[in-house]
Amino acid sequence: AQKITQTQPGMFVQEKEAVTLDCTYDTSDPSYGLFWYKQPSSGEMIFLIYQGSYDQQNATEGRYSLNFQKARKSANLVISASQLGDSAMYFCAMREGGGETSGSRLTFGEGTQLTVNP
Amino acid sequence: GAVVSQHPSWVICKSGTSVKIECRSLDFQATTMFWYRQFPKQSLMLMATSNEGSKATYEQGVEKDKFLINHASLTLSTLTVTSAHPEDSSFYICSARPLGPTDTQYFGPGTRLTVL
Repeated sequence: AQKITQTQPGMFVQEKEAVTLDCTYDTSDPSYGLFWYKQPSSGEMIFLIYQGSYDQQNATEGRYSLNFQKARKSANLVISASQLGDSAMYFCAMREGGGETSGSRLTFGEGTQLTVNP
Repeated sequence: GAVVSQHPSWVICKSGTSVKIECRSLDFQATTMFWYRQFPKQSLMLMATSNEGSKATYEQGVEKDKFLINHASLTLSTLTVTSAHPEDSSFYICSARPLGPTDTQYFGPGTRLTVL
């Protein structure tokens, strides 16, 4: 079974609007971490935001926020006020187990290609 | 801070030759580094986990004799693709996890390998 599922191969959004990228995960481990990375066409992986399974509040980093719904096992990324430079591939990833003991192995979803239109 | 470099950024080689890719954490120490492979339009697949001073742990299906990993210091890990073939052509990305209680991995810019 897929551990990380991103159901949107591609998404389009108008500049300055908000967009939500979906991510659902599957784990039986009570301790886990969820990450979002951005990969522009240059290939580099840019860390955006992190949510720990025990975090009470949704993570936010500037224009990025993570809509964490633990019971539904979803960790959607919300990008507010989209910019042209946001056009890229976005990956959701999960680290199972405590970071210290698991070695921080990440499992990635298939990604969502976001295109921001002017 | 938290910069990871990879060298080379791209390489073209002939089938049957070996290629070495370096991954360096420039401004932090990393006991653990990870090597991923990414084919076009696909996700990142973890190949191996590299720990300083010990043998790498390979994911199922990854040939350890073909993809040699050495983690000689807290700032350097190398991946050597031995006897490369065209099917090894891919984008190879490393990441490094800083020392201490952190969850975040920092990724290198990747190395694009083309085997002719």
